[in-house]
Formats: sequence, structure tokens, C-alpha cells
Amino acid sequence: GDSVTQMEGPVTLSEEAFLTINCTYTATGYPSLFWYVQYPGEGLQLLLKATKADDKGSNKGFEATYRKETTSFHLEKGSVQVSDSAVYFCALSGAAGNKLTFGGGTRVLVKP
Amino acid sequence: KAGVTQTPRYLIKTRGQQVTLSCSPISGHRSVSWYQQTPGQGLQFLFEYFSETQRNKGNFPGRFSGRQFSNSRSEMNVSTLELGDSALYLCASSEDWPGSRNQPQHFGDGTRLSIL
Repeated sequence: GDSVTQMEGPVTLSEEAFLTINCTYTATGYPSLFWYVQYPGEGLQLLLKATKADDKGSNKGFEATYRKETTSFHLEKGSVQVSDSAVYFCALSGAAGNKLTFGGGTRVLVKP
Repeated sequence: KAGVTQTPRYLIKTRGQQVTLSCSPISGHRSVSWYQQTPGQGLQFLFEYFSETQRNKGNFPGRFSGRQFSNSRSEMNVSTLELGDSALYLCASSEDWPGSRNQPQHFGDGTRLSIL
């Protein structure tokens, strides 16, 4: 079945540092890929998405490129802020309609 | 547009009881999905409803059930509650139309269920 693996956290960074969160997936066919972010006490917010190979999703300074050859969708941000502290989830939506399969989440803590 | 609304936000129940959670999707969204989030198992898909029909189901026991109404609002029910059912239950809605595929899902803030 479909699965998503992402790096375990927590990831602790200083403000303005570069952030990378690795995500790899296993799926049949051509899934759509997503990054969601969850702030304390809240639900998940869509951060960015990509629906086909070589697509680059971007939002709020975050970027991720759909790499079919390496089955990866790594999240990057060039200069993080304290407000980026949250849990980040990589997810895919495959052949089974709107069902999302999530990775385990990566907690990111940005210190001033 | 208003976002996805889940009620109640917090709920405390005891073992053996049953519970009903409610979700109002974004206006115009016809697909509603439910997820369970726990520290141990992470985010797991429960089921998806579209036009009042269950379209997809995860690997949960039959104690977990749901339904969708003609206005797209959805409820999920858990019967004979167990300690392990303590979790954050998230509802998500998405647009869905013929030819669309894997549309992004928009999540509510969840209902936190605690079983004593």
C-alpha cells in the first residue's frame, strides 16, 4: 500500500537558518504530494502541493519539488523565522480518491 | 468563506460510552474525510463521504462509523469507547467534481476526545 516516510524530529534551528525536511514515498501510479503544517492546538493547514513529476510547489518561502525518479518531495526554506515553529507533515493522495496517507510528522523549533 | 467547523472542540467520556462528533465543511465542498491523530500512530484515515455515500474506508473496527447529510455536513460516531480511542479527530473537506483529482483537503481544528 501507499506509505510516506519523513525524517524524525525534533529539528532545532536558529532564526534565518536553512531548513530541509526529507520526505520519501511509496505509491502505485502517480500520486499528488502535499506538505501540511500544524500549529499547537490547531488542525492541519495546507502549505504546498505538487500533482505531477517535476512540479515545484511553493508558498510562504517554502518549496518542494516532486521527484519521481527518487520518489521524494523534500521541503526547504532558505531563512526560517520563529513563527515557522510547528509540526510539518508530508502526505500523498493516490489512487484511492481523496484519502491522504501521512508521514509521521517532523517537529521544527526555531530559536531567536 | 468560513472554514471547516468541528464541534465540540473537547470531549471527555468514559469507557463503554458512545460519542458523536460533528463536522461542517466549507461551503460548496461535497467531500468530507475523517482522520484520527494520536502520538503513537500519527494521522490515520478513518473514512471519506461524498454525496451522502461512504466512498472510502480506512482500517478501523466497526465501532467507528459515520454519515453525511444532504447539506454535506458529516458526523462520526464511536461506540463502546476504549481508552485507546483517546485522540484528536480531524475532519477535512475538499472540492470534488467530475475530472478533478486529488484536490487539497482543508482541515478543521479537530475534536479532542479523552476517554477516562
